Amino acid sequence: GENVEQHPSTLSVQEGDSAVIKCTYSDSASNYFPWYKQELGKGPQLIIDIRSNVGEKKDQRIAVTLNKTAKHFSLHITETQPEDSAVYFCAAGRNTGKLIFGQGTTLQVKP
Amino acid sequence: DVKVTQSSRYLVKRTGEKVFLECVQDMDHENMFWYRQDPGLGLRLIYFSYDVKMKEKGDIPEGYSVSREKKERFSLILESASTNQTSMYLCAITVGRSGNTIYFGEGSWLTVV
Repeated sequence: GENVEQHPSTLSVQEGDSAVIKCTYSDSASNYFPWYKQELGKGPQLIIDIRSNVGEKKDQRIAVTLNKTAKHFSLHITETQPEDSAVYFCAAGRNTGKLIFGQGTTLQVKP
Repeated sequence: DVKVTQSSRYLVKRTGEKVFLECVQDMDHENMFWYRQDPGLGLRLIYFSYDVKMKEKGDIPEGYSVSREKKERFSLILESASTNQTSMYLCAITVGRSGNTIYFGEGSWLTVV
């Protein structure tokens, strides 16, 4: 079946450094790629998304890049802060609302 | 703001019990989903519904059923709970013309003993 691979599973950075999380997907028809942040005890929150007609999108300290040829996309967080510590999920899907999620990355930002 | 409400946040049930997890949305959205979340496995789709009385199986429907009698409410049912159904259950809806953008509820932690 279709799947999404996410790496690394855990990531520890110093405050102020950058963090990068990478995902690869198998369904070449996927055209929507969101990223979610999940804090302890809460549901995932959408933080940024990108559609297949663009290669990069940025929102303040967060950016996402997409390489459709290679079928991978990445989340970049710059100037990390302790409140960025959370579990991050990538996902990929078509225009049906159904998404396939990665396994999650636990990001720890050390003050 | 999009609001997805899961009324039961923490439940402990016994093996063999019938369990109902309720999800309510307040924005008249058609598409509703149930996922389960397990460490190292991410989020996996159990069932989804595109409209009232409609339901479709997701990737892991075994052991579950759903009910959508009203547009705003989507229920996940465990007919006979088992310990391997101990998990975090997340309800979600999609927003937007393309139907992609998914918003989640806060989750329901179910422990089956």
